[in-house]
Amino acid sequence: EDKVVQSPLSLVVHEGDTVTLNCSYEVTNFRSLLWYKQEKKAPTFLFMLTSSGIEKKSGRLSSILDKKELSSILNITATQTGDSAIYLCAEDSTSGTYKYIFGTGTRLKVLA
Amino acid sequence: DTGVSQDPRHKITKRGQNVTFRCDPISEHNRLYWYRQTLGQGPEFLTYFQNEAQLEKSRLLSDRFSAERPKGSFSTLEIQRTEQGDSAMYLCASSSQGKGTDTQYFGPGTRLTVL
Repeated sequence: EDKVVQSPLSLVVHEGDTVTLNCSYEVTNFRSLLWYKQEKKAPTFLFMLTSSGIEKKSGRLSSILDKKELSSILNITATQTGDSAIYLCAEDSTSGTYKYIFGTGTRLKVLA
Repeated sequence: DTGVSQDPRHKITKRGQNVTFRCDPISEHNRLYWYRQTLGQGPEFLTYFQNEAQLEKSRLLSDRFSAERPKGSFSTLEIQRTEQGDSAMYLCASSSQGKGTDTQYFGPGTRLTVL
């Protein structure tokens, strides 16, 4: 069965630090990998990575897909307290379904 | 606001009662999903609609759960004879059928507490 594993489970850093969050996946027919940010509400979309788009960047956030290692990283540079959230990784397969399989998330806390 | 909306945002009920949640997707999105999220876990898929057709249901969706999307627009999720284990955040997401991949956008969720 498809599976997504995220590490670390939680992380505490100080403002200005750079963090790297990890996501590994096991999927039969990979279609895309997604990153979401979740504060005290719904997950908000950050990035979608596919076979044709393995690197994305938006401001201080960037993400890379490693198809050989079946993994992805999310980098946040110059962290701010507003980056404190749970970061969720999800995979989407082509196995005839459109559901996402989510990891348990990485809880990031940025201290002032 | 043209995002996904859900109602109610919070629901407290007693064990054994029935509850119904509503989700209004982004207007042009033909796909709608329900997920359940418990504390410390990522969202878990429950069911998926394409227009008004319910195309997939998770094994998590017991006989006490039913979902509808009668006109291919809003959707309802009903839980009958609620149990304490049903306490969770129920998330709705929608997406637009595209070429190969489509991104799911989530609503604010309905937090259910079963006493």
